[in-house]
Formats: sequence, structure tokens, C-alpha cells
Amino acid sequence: GDSVTQMEGPVTLSEEAFLTINCTYTATGYPSLFWYVQYPGEGLQLLLKATKADDKGSNKGFEATYRKETTSFHLEKGSVQVSDSAVYFCALSEEGNKLVFGAGTILRVKS
Amino acid sequence: DAGVTQSPTHLIKTRGQQVTLRCSPKSGHDTVSWYQQALGQGPQFIFQYYEEEERQRGNFPDRFSGHQFPNYSSELNVNALLLGDSALYLCASSLGGALFYEQYFGPGTRLTVT
Repeated sequence: GDSVTQMEGPVTLSEEAFLTINCTYTATGYPSLFWYVQYPGEGLQLLLKATKADDKGSNKGFEATYRKETTSFHLEKGSVQVSDSAVYFCALSEEGNKLVFGAGTILRVKS
Repeated sequence: DAGVTQSPTHLIKTRGQQVTLRCSPKSGHDTVSWYQQALGQGPQFIFQYYEEEERQRGNFPDRFSGHQFPNYSSELNVNALLLGDSALYLCASSLGGALFYEQYFGPGTRLTVT
């Protein structure tokens, strides 16, 4: 079945550092790919998405490119802020709108 | 414009009991999905309701059941609670007809089974 694997955390960075969170997926077809963010005490929020190969999703300085050849969708940000501290989930959807999530990566940004 | 709302926020139940969680979708949305998020893990899909019928189901036992009402709100019922059912239960709403949908999540209901 479909699955998502993302790098284990926690990831601890200093403010203004470059961020990469790796995500790879397994799917039988051509899924849509997503990054969701969960701030402490809150629900999941969609951060960005890509619906076909080579699409780049971007939002709030975060970017991720749908790489079909490597089945990857790595999340990047050029300069993180303390307010970016949260849990980040990579996810895919292939059948009937069901979302399949990775285990999540905790990001901690120090000032 | 109200987003997805869930009730209650927190709930404590005893093993063997039954629980009902409620969800109101974002205005204009007709599809509701339920997810279970155990501590430190990603959400797991339970089932999805569209037009008052269960459209898709994940790998959860029959103890987990649901319902969707004509106003698109939904309930999640769990019978014979186990300690392992302790988790954050998330509701998400979307448009059923959209090819590349976006699911909007509620804040969740924290269920603790003792």
C-alpha cells in the first residue's frame, strides 16, 4: 500500500539557518503530495501542495518540489524563524481523497 | 467563515465504555474524513463520509463507526473502548467533487481511555 517516510527528528536549528526535511513516498499511481504543519496545541494546517511531477509548492517561504524519479518531496526553507517551530507532516493522496501521512518531524528553532 | 469545529475538546473514558465525537465541516464542504493521531505519530485514516454514506475506510475495526447528517456534520462512535484508543481524533472536511481537493482540519478531540 501507499506509504510516506520522513526524516526522524527532532531537528534543532538556530534562527536564520537553512532547513531541509526529507520525505520519500511509495505509491502505485500518481499521487498528490502535501506538507502539513501542526503548531503546539493546534490542528493540522496545509502548508503547501503539488499535484503532478515537477510541480513546486510554496508558501510562507517554504518550498517543496515533486520529484517522480526519486519519489521525493523534500521541504526546504532558506531562513527559519523561531515561529516555525512545529511538527511537520509529509502526506500523499491517491485514492478517493484519503490522506496517508508520515510520522512527522519535530522542528525546534533557537533564537 | 467558521472553519472545522469539533466537540468535545477533551474526553476521559473508561475501558469498555462507548464514546461519540462530533464534527461540523467548514462552510460549503460536503465531505468529512476522520483520522486518529496517536502520541508522536502521524494521523491514520479511519473513514470518510460523503452524501451521508461511508465512501472509504481505513484499517480500523468495526468498533469504529460513523454517521453523516443531512447538514454534512458527522459523528465518530467508538464502542468497547481499549487503552490503545487513547489518541487525538481529527476531523477534516473537503469538497467531494474536487479532483485535487484540500482537506481542512479541525483542532481535534483528545480522548483518554483509563
